[in-house]
Amino acid sequence: QVTLKESGPGILQPSQTLSLTCSFSGFSLSTSGICVSWIRQPSGKGLEWLATICWEDSKGYNPSLKNRLTISKDTSNNQAFLKITSVDTADTAIYYCARTRITTRDDYWGQGVMVTVSS
Amino acid sequence: DIVMTQGALPNPVPSGESVSITCRSSKSLLYSDGKTYLNWYLQRPGQSPQLLIYWMSTRASGVSDRFSGSGSGTDFTLKISGVEAEDVGVYYCQQGLEFPRTFGGGTKLELK
Repeated sequence: QVTLKESGPGILQPSQTLSLTCSFSGFSLSTSGICVSWIRQPSGKGLEWLATICWEDSKGYNPSLKNRLTISKDTSNNQAFLKITSVDTADTAIYYCARTRITTRDDYWGQGVMVTVSS
Repeated sequence: DIVMTQGALPNPVPSGESVSITCRSSKSLLYSDGKTYLNWYLQRPGQSPQLLIYWMSTRASGVSDRFSGSGSGTDFTLKISGVEAEDVGVYYCQQGLEFPRTFGGGTKLELK
């Protein structure tokens, strides 16, 4: 059974760095063709893809967030991570992690974690 | 970036009616391997999105055969045959061809 669960700080202040963790089970990030992606959704709005990391450590980032994103993984502990630097109120959203197959489709999603950026 | 544009539904829709949701991409999603990298997701109220269709017309595991996907390289349709209460939510198309992966703006389905 594939499950994913996101965790994060809940609330943080503008200009801080957001650190998110995706803990998963039922698959391995060392398996060929398997990736993990981060997607976010501001309240009442649509989905925005942020980043993807794959089994062989290739990475893809959304250029709209310029150089603020860093994705990484800990294969041994079945975790993936996302850091977003210099956050502001526009980064307030639900953040999801998802298992991604061969970078092309997100077939299992976590429940999401709400992150609020506020002074 | 590939822009994904979705159409709207004439909400609310009577239960049991069939509906089609449209999606258009700014670039062909047909790849050299013969597959078209278009996905459909449903996000029910208060839930995470779930994958319904990938490769434009392949149903994901456990998805009802009331859902079917079709299209060309740039124009796509998700058909729901006989809408039920559990189909209510927002439907998103997504291109899986290249980074950055992009979603359509979503199409809301409401039931009468």
